Amino acid sequence: TQLLEQSPQFLSIQEGENLTVYCNSSSVFSSLQWYRQEPGEGPVLLVTVVTGGEVKKLKRLTFQFGDARKDSSLHITAAQPGDTGLYLCAGRENNNNDMRFGAGTRLTVKP
Amino acid sequence: EPEVTQTPSHQVTQMGQEVILRCVPISNHLYFYWYRQILGQKVEFLVSFYNNEISEKSEIFDDQFSVERPDGSNFTLKIRSTKLEDSAMYFCASSEVGRGYGYTFGSGTRLTVV
Repeated sequence: TQLLEQSPQFLSIQEGENLTVYCNSSSVFSSLQWYRQEPGEGPVLLVTVVTGGEVKKLKRLTFQFGDARKDSSLHITAAQPGDTGLYLCAGRENNNNDMRFGAGTRLTVKP
Repeated sequence: EPEVTQTPSHQVTQMGQEVILRCVPISNHLYFYWYRQILGQKVEFLVSFYNNEISEKSEIFDDQFSVERPDGSNFTLKIRSTKLEDSAMYFCASSEVGRGYGYTFGSGTRLTVV
């Protein structure tokens, strides 16, 4: 059973700072997704990565998929209070199973 | 932007009662999913559904759970005899391309079993 570990569990920073959160596993993933979840709402997809070493940018967010497709990182530049939320990674191990989620990193950006 | 719609948003039920949670996936999506999230815990996979049959189910999805696509638009999750530990947010999701790509989630149904 694949296990996605996200770190840190909690992160509190000041507006304008940069940050990186991580998603790690011992499993190889055929695809990996990052989501953001607000309280009482469903996860909202940010990005899907499928190729080892792949880097995708979404405005101030940079997502990287590890070369071995076992890990991923999310880097936010110049964080803003609107970035506050729970950031979840979810991975699909192979073509026979579905996305499983990590426990998330809860980010708080203080003005 | 297309949305996945879930009803009801909140449901309170007595232990042992049956509940049906309803979802309307995005119209051109072909893959459907149910996940749940117990308060303060992580999002857990329950079941995926494609071409009118279950593609995969987790160990949580035991005999008291069932899914159905009764018509061309609805996708339902039935819990036959609810237990206290079934209390959670239940999220429906759909995807166009396939399993592992671009899921759109609904806002969830908060189920409380008393």
